[in-house]
Amino acid sequence: IVLAQSPGTLSLSPGERATLSCRASQSVDGNSLAWYQHKPGQAPRLLLYGASSRATGIPDRFNGSGSGTDFTLTISRLEPEDIAVYYCQQFGSSPRTFGQGTKLEIK
Amino acid sequence: QVQLVESGGGLVKPGGSLRLSCEASGFTFNEFFMSWIRQAPGQGLEWISHITGSGKTRYYADSVKGRFTISRDNANNSVFLQMDSLRAEDTAIYYCARLYGPFDYWGQGARVTVSS
Repeated sequence: IVLAQSPGTLSLSPGERATLSCRASQSVDGNSLAWYQHKPGQAPRLLLYGASSRATGIPDRFNGSGSGTDFTLTISRLEPEDIAVYYCQQFGSSPRTFGQGTKLEIK
Repeated sequence: QVQLVESGGGLVKPGGSLRLSCEASGFTFNEFFMSWIRQAPGQGLEWISHITGSGKTRYYADSVKGRFTISRDNANNSVFLQMDSLRAEDTAIYYCARLYGPFDYWGQGARVTVSS
């Protein structure tokens, strides 16, 4: 399953809302879709799984939605620490695949 | 808390071999699948292999099948990636990750450079 993320880069101001899209080439089984945050030099961090369930310790500013082939990660009230590349990933079919990432910049 | 620490990265010539290790702590190791995922320079993330908790079943991406071998030592809470016949395109940061549906915990990564 090929995952296409958009936009490639998103530049927003602190306090604004970010909306990141992930579109799958075919339906993702059981909403087996996850989102990760990857900051330079750090380990990637799981944010959301099952399309909308937050992982341990993830603040409620991060929300996921969608089903089938269209999924969205919304980050509300942006903070400077949210600078990162965000990846979607499907784990319902083999091989597990990632999107190419959306780079979030804070103005 | 869950910790994953990779080691064994470095510079190797094309055609050479390298073995990565990942030491795990903070969870019952043999109850979880473990994975290796890589990120080539300027590229996104690519799953390359995972292994079941018992070590009996292993899965590989087509890009590394026949060249890389994943294994684990449950007595020492470690997972390994033996990389043979390395190519320039294998240059990447290699991450160890716990697999529980999604990849729920990741290590900091080990850098592998394949160059003459």
